[in-house]
Amino acid sequence: EAGVTQFPSHSVIEKGQTVTLRCDPISGHDNLYWYRRVMGKEIKFLLHFVKESKQDESGMPNNRFLAERTGGTYSTLKVQPAELEDSGVYFCASSQEGLGMMGEQFFGPGTRLTVL
Amino acid sequence: AQKVTQAQTEISVVEKEDVTLDCVYETRDTTYYLFWYKQPPSGELVFLIRRNSFDEQNEISGRYSWNFQKSTSSFNFTITASQVVDSAVYFCALSVYTRGSRLTFGEGTQLTVNP
Repeated sequence: EAGVTQFPSHSVIEKGQTVTLRCDPISGHDNLYWYRRVMGKEIKFLLHFVKESKQDESGMPNNRFLAERTGGTYSTLKVQPAELEDSGVYFCASSQEGLGMMGEQFFGPGTRLTVL
Repeated sequence: AQKVTQAQTEISVVEKEDVTLDCVYETRDTTYYLFWYKQPPSGELVFLIRRNSFDEQNEISGRYSWNFQKSTSSFNFTITASQVVDSAVYFCALSVYTRGSRLTFGEGTQLTVNP
């Protein structure tokens, strides 16, 4: 069974540009999460989808970030326009429906975003 | 608010030594879960263990063991007879019932095991 995949693995853009990150969760997992680790700090929660609905987006830093999950399958996270402080590693995770609280969140390898 | 503190930023040991990674958490919730994840050089986070707040029984899995103490709000992780392959960043995380399933992570501990 394929794990959580993320694309691209690395992205280098200039300040003001737009970048879109993609996450493909494990098939059948209704819960999808985005997290971010900035500058060796702790990994911080961004948002949580249950199927196509945003369950919790309280961690989104500002309105330059837009997350979508069309059809409850893959998800995209768009940053527009990107700022220097957006640099970091963006992780996606998924878990089975109803088990998000107790179960294991399976993480992808992350996308390393560098904004110059 | 929830908080997880991993005071050890970096630890370096020689192979076969035992090493303990500390984790202290803060929450006012009585129902919560604690996790440890390993991040090897390949980058993905690998789940190691989950513990709920009502189960203080310590757990051992091979060379890994976990000590959960509610009295000190700690959930420490010990690797016995460390190996080079244990080198990774280790994250402790907390999930509380009233905040859904989001994880609150500590800053991670970089463990280097030298041959």
